[in-house]
Amino acid sequence: AQTVTQSQPEMSVQEAETVTLSCTYDTSENNYYLFWYKQPPSRQMILVIRQEAYKQQNATENRFSVNFQKAAKSFSLKISDSQLGDTAMYFCAFAKDQGGSEKLVFGKGTKLTVNP
Amino acid sequence: DAGVTQSPTHLIKTRGQQVTLRCSPKSGHDTVSWYQQALGQGPQFIFQYYEEEERQRGNFPDRFSGHQFPNYSSELNVNALLLGDSALYLCASSGTGGSFGDGYTFGSGTRLTVV
Repeated sequence: AQTVTQSQPEMSVQEAETVTLSCTYDTSENNYYLFWYKQPPSRQMILVIRQEAYKQQNATENRFSVNFQKAAKSFSLKISDSQLGDTAMYFCAFAKDQGGSEKLVFGKGTKLTVNP
Repeated sequence: DAGVTQSPTHLIKTRGQQVTLRCSPKSGHDTVSWYQQALGQGPQFIFQYYEEEERQRGNFPDRFSGHQFPNYSSELNVNALLLGDSALYLCASSGTGGSFGDGYTFGSGTRLTVV
């Protein structure tokens, strides 16, 4: 079974600074997807960024980028120029490539607080 | 463009009772997945419905059951409620049979409290 571990229960950062959230996972699969989701107090899970395992290039979405190390099974999220609106729970998630029935396996999350 | 709609937003039930939660998927999506998120935890996969059939199931007892209707909306039913069933229940929809082609869209969840 796949597992996802987020070792930082809570983190804080000053506005405009950079922060990195850590995630490791365990799988014997070769084809899979990795995700970072944001869950603000509104409770809705919002996709921040996703990475296909077969792609060596790290994904980026504006201020958000990942460091994907497939051999080390590591998938960290870097948030640049942090904004107050980035305050939320962040979940790392894994999904096997099952050709259309993928389920998400989530970590326990990291609570990020951006301070003014 | 309506996203995923879940109802009700909050619910309080007594141990032993039964509950039904509802989900309307995003327009154009045909697959619905349900997740349980206990306080302080990440969501856990309950099951997924596609073409009105349960396609995949997580490690949840048979007290948890579901249904998908021809319009792709879905219900999650929980029988004989236990205190441990208290959680946020999230619905996620996706298109093209559940592939990540356009990703999953989550609703804001139903907060169930069992007393």
